[in-house]
Amino acid sequence: EVQLVESGGGLVQPGGSLRLSCVASGFTFNNYWMSWVRQAPGKGLEWVANIKQDGSEEYFVASVRGRFTFSRDNAKNSLYLQMSSLRAEDTALYYCARLSEFQPYYYAMDVWGQGTTVTVSS
Amino acid sequence: DIQMTQSPSSLSASAGDRVTITCRTSQSIYSYLNWYQQKPGKAPKLLIFGASNLQSGVPSRFSGSGSGTDFTLTISSLQPEDFAAYYCQQSHSVPWTFGQGTKVEIK
Repeated sequence: EVQLVESGGGLVQPGGSLRLSCVASGFTFNNYWMSWVRQAPGKGLEWVANIKQDGSEEYFVASVRGRFTFSRDNAKNSLYLQMSSLRAEDTALYYCARLSEFQPYYYAMDVWGQGTTVTVSS
Repeated sequence: DIQMTQSPSSLSASAGDRVTITCRTSQSIYSYLNWYQQKPGKAPKLLIFGASNLQSGVPSRFSGSGSGTDFTLTISSLQPEDFAAYYCQQSHSVPWTFGQGTKVEIK
């Protein structure tokens, strides 16, 4: 079964750090770009980042620049999101998702994890 | 950044109704437009990629159309399991952006 499982969420104080993990199974992880998407409580979806198969390229939303670091370990079928200098507005459910290229340059997020919740509060 | 405007933000409909959701972008994105469905407490699910291509396993009552800046998701005959939130998302250029969502509720 194709599956993504996130972990690592929790309650953290403003300015604190947290590391999220996403473990993939059921598909060849190192063949795919991966994404992080977040959803604040009661709000819509916000794309956070895309990470290339070998981790050599990444694209991310400007609001996380200098605070979030993205990485992957293909030997462990794992994707990571290192979050630092956390702010209240980072409070959200964080999803990892698989990016599939359905046609040349046509990408979409076709497999999603269940998400892990990050709460930034004092 | 490309702005995405979905309408309506919510709608009430009955089972069997035809439902149309629109998504307008602030600049042309050709056909780099995806649609997702999200049920309460669940992760999003890909419905349509490339504006009009039905994802494998998605019922044929769902269809997408449009190109450039104007796109439409249509549910031809609403089923009870279709009551959910729907989001458009552009993959033309980073930062990728989502529409604000359309909540389809039971009338």
